[in-house]
Amino acid sequence: DGGITQSPKYLFRKEGQNVTLSCEQNLNHDAMYWYRQDPGQGLRLIYYSQIVNDFQKGDIAEGYSVSREKKESFPLTVTSAQKNPTAFYLCASNLWGRDQPQHFGDGTRLSIL
Amino acid sequence: GQQLNQSPQSMFIQEGEDVSMNCTSSSIFNTWLWYKQEPGEGPVLLIALYKAGELTSNGRLTAQFGITRKDSFLNISASIPSDVGIYFCAGRGISSGSARQLTFGSGTQLTVLP
Repeated sequence: DGGITQSPKYLFRKEGQNVTLSCEQNLNHDAMYWYRQDPGQGLRLIYYSQIVNDFQKGDIAEGYSVSREKKESFPLTVTSAQKNPTAFYLCASNLWGRDQPQHFGDGTRLSIL
Repeated sequence: GQQLNQSPQSMFIQEGEDVSMNCTSSSIFNTWLWYKQEPGEGPVLLIALYKAGELTSNGRLTAQFGITRKDSFLNISASIPSDVGIYFCAGRGISSGSARQLTFGSGTQLTVLP
């Protein structure tokens, strides 16, 4: 089945540790996105990528890093510089046409130990 | 940046009742999207709207793109227990960075009582 796969479903981070969240899509979508979701808030954009080897900062990029070495993969690293990393992280993708809606994975919940 | 005001924040309704929720923007949007999110899952696209005044249905769901291009509403008719979840609006504005980024509302938590 075509879709967006995020892993792991749950992730725990120790103080001072970097962790990487995986996002893979087999939809042949051009663009991929990472969002952070906190309770009672809308989704906030962390990073996005339109094409391989290129990515742009979103509204809350500080403390995060990404890479886009393959079209189907867009991993997100939550670094130790992110002081409040506990959240639900969502990956999305779409075709890069003007009106193409974004489709989401099932998310990764990151917690601090 | 662009802001979306989504209301109400939460709703408790009886099974069988109709539901209405809306989003308003501080600026003009050229695309409105409505998503539903269930606990522990990612949002699922319900309806996409691309033209001012457009009215689109998806089963018991109906959404409209406001004439002013600054608002949209979602109606759910004859609610059932599986309608429970958080409903998000999202819009793409003329001036949204690369014109590809979405701005999300804060969501409407819907609870359907038997």
